[in-house]
Amino acid sequence: AQSVTQLDSQVPVFEEAPVELRCNYSSSVSVYLFWYVQYPNQGLQLLLKYLSGSTLVKGINGFEAEFNKSQTSFHLRKPSVHISDTAEYFCAVSRKLTGGGNKLTFGTGTQLKVEL
Amino acid sequence: ETGVTQSPTHLIKTRGQQVTLRCSSQSGHNTVSWYQQALGQGPQFIFQYYREEENGRGNFPPRFSGLQFPNYSSELNVNALELDDSALYLCASSAGTEAFFGQGTRLTVV
Repeated sequence: AQSVTQLDSQVPVFEEAPVELRCNYSSSVSVYLFWYVQYPNQGLQLLLKYLSGSTLVKGINGFEAEFNKSQTSFHLRKPSVHISDTAEYFCAVSRKLTGGGNKLTFGTGTQLKVEL
Repeated sequence: ETGVTQSPTHLIKTRGQQVTLRCSSQSGHNTVSWYQQALGQGPQFIFQYYREEENGRGNFPPRFSGLQFPNYSSELNVNALELDDSALYLCASSAGTEAFFGQGTRLTVV
């Protein structure tokens, strides 16, 4: 079975400071990994994804993540955060369904709070 | 290209009632998935539909059921509502590895 662990429930950070949101996954097979952002009272927006190839993945809004197979991690980073980055961030792993599609298994989320 | 749209955005129901939530998938996407997101939690997979057939199901009881129509839009039906069914219900459409989410329907059961 696959699972996703987000190690920090809340991360406070000052504006223009760097940030790292941690994500670890467990899986015995190859995985597809995703980071989504959720603003208050909204759905999920894809930040970036890892399917294969380069382990450093760049996404929208200046975010990037590094896939580390040996440590089973997929941490999200941004070198300089903005007040508008305040939101909930979810790490997810994709798993094949018996019918042929894919489902997402999400972590419990990390609330990023950017302060002035 | 239109995105994923869900209706209604908010809904209040009484325990024991039935509810239907609706989702229009993104143009060209033939797969729709539904997720339940309880307050303070990550989304949990309910089920997925592909070309009008259920393609997979999560750990939800049979009173959670769904439909997909020929235009790939979808409905989520929940019977005999319980207080714990209060959550944000998210619909996602996909045509490959990437899922695109709607804004969700906030269901409150009182």
